[in-house]
Parts: sequence; C-alpha cells; structure tokens
Amino acid sequence: DARVTQTPRHKVTEMGQEVTMRCQPILGHNTVFWYRQTMMQGLELLAYFRNRAPLDDSGMPKDRFSAEMPDATLATLKIQPSEPRDSAVYFCASGLVMDRELFFGEGSRLTVL
Amino acid sequence: QKEVEQDPGPLSVPEGAIVSLNCTYSNSAFQYFMWYRQYSRKGPELLMYTYSSGNKEDGRFTAQVDKSSKYISLFIRDSQPSDSATYLCAMTDDKIIFGKGTRLHILP
Repeated sequence: DARVTQTPRHKVTEMGQEVTMRCQPILGHNTVFWYRQTMMQGLELLAYFRNRAPLDDSGMPKDRFSAEMPDATLATLKIQPSEPRDSAVYFCASGLVMDRELFFGEGSRLTVL
Repeated sequence: QKEVEQDPGPLSVPEGAIVSLNCTYSNSAFQYFMWYRQYSRKGPELLMYTYSSGNKEDGRFTAQVDKSSKYISLFIRDSQPSDSATYLCAMTDDKIIFGKGTRLHILP
C-alpha cells in the first residue's frame, strides 16, 4: 500500500531551536509539495519540487525556512530558528506531473513554545 | 485578495439533505479544479477533479465549474453522517493552491 511517510508525527520544541521534518514520497512520483495548515490560514503552499528541482518556494519565510530534496526518496523542510508562530501541521504531498491528484502524508504537528 | 476564497463554515445540515459547497478564485490561468476531503487529524484526500468548465458526477457527488464567473461548487446528495469532514477546494495552473476548507457536519 503506497503512501507518503512523514516524520516526526509530533514535535514540541522551544523557540530558537532547529526543526527538521522529513518526507518520503511515493516511489515513482516526481512532484513533491510542502504545505502548512493552521485554523486561521488554512492550507498554505510553502514550496514544491519537480524531479527534485525546486520550482517555487515563494510561500516560505526565506530567512528561517529551507526545503531540499537530497534524493528522490527524501524531502526535508527545515526551520531555523523556530518561532511560536511556526506552530502548525506541516503536510508533505507527492504526485505525478501529468496527474492532478496529490497524495498527502499524515502530517507533522509542530508546537513551538 | 487571496487567490482562492472559501467559507470556512462550520456548516451543519440534517442527514439526507443536499449540501452545497463553493469557492471563488481570482487567477484566470487555473485549468484544473479539485475537491479534497479531510477527516480530523488526517491528510486531505482527492474526492473529485474537473478540467475547465462543466459538470462532473460521481455517485452522490457533483462538481461544477463556471470559469466565466470564477466559481466552483461541490454538491453532495443524500448526505450521510460519514460525510462529516472538512472539504477543501483546490486549483492549479501548475502549483496547486487550496481554499481554507469548509467544515461540514451532517446531523443524524
């Protein structure tokens, strides 16, 4: 049963600490998206990749967020330093460029104290 | 103005009622329009998608797109308690943009 795997599922950290979230896309998918979900803003696009190349990261605060795909089986989202306003659920999703369906992971719930 | 606007609800309707969910958008470049369903503490899952204007039906669900008005709708017939979830519209010209989602409660 192919699925997108995200780790960690839950993370509580203190302001100023570095946070790294990881995503394993479905094997064979060539597009990976990172979203952040809050009650106030809904599901916001942070960044997305196609064939491991970043296409758009305009949704990310550039000074503290970074997203990478070191290989086809791993996408990472890093926050350094973290702030309380970063508290949210972060979703990774993967898909095929010719197909409009995105498959989402279970999300990483981040709380920054 | 956000690219995609969606009323967050909550929307409560009795079981068996017809539910209408809607989104408006501003980017005329959007070509594909989708509806995702999200249960509590889960990731969204694709429910339906349509290309350009028109209607698409799948069981109790009907998606409508009116590009001239930049308006899309999802109708749920004979609503069931199991339909209680958050429904997110989404659209794409390459990157996929989501609405905030509408929380729907179907009352038994």
